[in-house]
Amino acid sequence: NAGVMQNPRHLVRRRGQEARLRCSPMKGHSHVYWYRQLPEEGLKFMVYLQKENIIDESGMPKERFSAEFPKEGPSILRIQQVVRGDSAAYFCASSPSGQASNWYGYTFGSGTRLTVV
Amino acid sequence: QQQVKQSPQSLIVQKGGISIINCAYENTAFDYFPWYQQFPGKGPALLIAIRPDVSEKKEGRFTISFNKSAKQFSLHIMDSQPGDSATYFCAAPRPHAGNNRKLIWGLGTSLAVNP
Repeated sequence: NAGVMQNPRHLVRRRGQEARLRCSPMKGHSHVYWYRQLPEEGLKFMVYLQKENIIDESGMPKERFSAEFPKEGPSILRIQQVVRGDSAAYFCASSPSGQASNWYGYTFGSGTRLTVV
Repeated sequence: QQQVKQSPQSLIVQKGGISIINCAYENTAFDYFPWYQQFPGKGPALLIAIRPDVSEKKEGRFTISFNKSAKQFSLHIMDSQPGDSATYFCAAPRPHAGNNRKLIWGLGTSLAVNP
């Protein structure tokens, strides 16, 4: 039973390029969450998605950032026209379906470390 | 805005000592309080969680204590080992009812256990 799979593990982009980060949730999980983490800092919530639906994007910057979780395939976090300040570790987590009061939290992937040069 | 306040920000403990990290929350849609452990270069991993039909849950050297009236919960690491050196995050469910599973996170505690 594979965990949450994120790829690539490391991504280097030049300023102005696009970055695409992929996340395949655990089998049976239909809720996906994206977080950003800077060195020595906490987890910053970005977006919460279900299949074909954005539940909460309150943590997403208004420009250049977008996320999707299509009916088929992984969830994608897309950053357009990257800047040096986008350099960070981006973590994806997933959680199962069913009643929220019965669930047992998130499973995180190993993250994608984005470096903008 | 809903917050989870975690303290201390950093903690240094001698090998064999007890590490204690505290969290305080405001309101939650349901009672579920997890602790996550993160090693450098890795994603956070669920360490232990409590559903407060009990006030305490123990798994090996790790214990969660919960005080519902005070809206506080804490992580105790007994006989702390250098391998426990990591960042620890607490979390609580968002306050509104419904099937939304968004967690609200503390800012983390960096634990260093000296040999």
